[in-house]
Amino acid sequence: EAQVTQNPRYLITVTGKKLTVTCSQNMNHEYMSWYRQDPGLGLRQIYYSMNVEVTDKGDVPEGYKVSRKEKRNFPLILESPSPNQTSLYFCASSPSGKGGTQYFGPGTRLTVL
Amino acid sequence: KQEVTQIPAALSVPEGENLVLNCSFTDSAIYNLQWFRQDPGKGLTSLLLIQSSQREQTSGRLNASLDKSSGRSTLYIAASQPGDSATYLCAAKAGNAGNMLTFGGGTRLMVKP
Repeated sequence: EAQVTQNPRYLITVTGKKLTVTCSQNMNHEYMSWYRQDPGLGLRQIYYSMNVEVTDKGDVPEGYKVSRKEKRNFPLILESPSPNQTSLYFCASSPSGKGGTQYFGPGTRLTVL
Repeated sequence: KQEVTQIPAALSVPEGENLVLNCSFTDSAIYNLQWFRQDPGKGLTSLLLIQSSQREQTSGRLNASLDKSSGRSTLYIAASQPGDSATYLCAAKAGNAGNMLTFGGGTRLMVKP
């Protein structure tokens, strides 16, 4: 089944403890992206990747890192999480960065205490 | 900077009604516009994508239109059903590279039996 998977789905952590949220797609998509969704602010893009080893900042990149070493994986790294990073995170992919339908993962609900 | 607005924020209708959801955007230089559905606790499901050169797209009971000159898109749902209850999001893709989507705040739809 063609899909975008994220792990973990739920995570509660404490301030400053490094964490990684994994994202994987099995559709051979070139483009991958991370979003966060917050009440009243909607979905905002954090980082995106046009292809392997090519990443760029979105609207709200502060406090996050990403890497794209393989086409299928695009992990989101929080080196020192803070409570304002408590949010619902979505990974998405699409065939290319030129446009086209984006396919979203199920989301990761992160709580930073 | 692109801003996307969806009105109303919430809508409740009886089953069987035809309804229209509205999406407006400030920068008409979009590459495409995409409509998504989000169910509680779940990810986003793409419904329709309209390229900037297109006026509308149809899928089953759904029809989405795009008017770039006025900065508007509408999602028409015919003969609504309780299973249509969800949050509907529109997202505009910037005209430059990067497949960056700017999302509206969403319309929460409740279809009552």
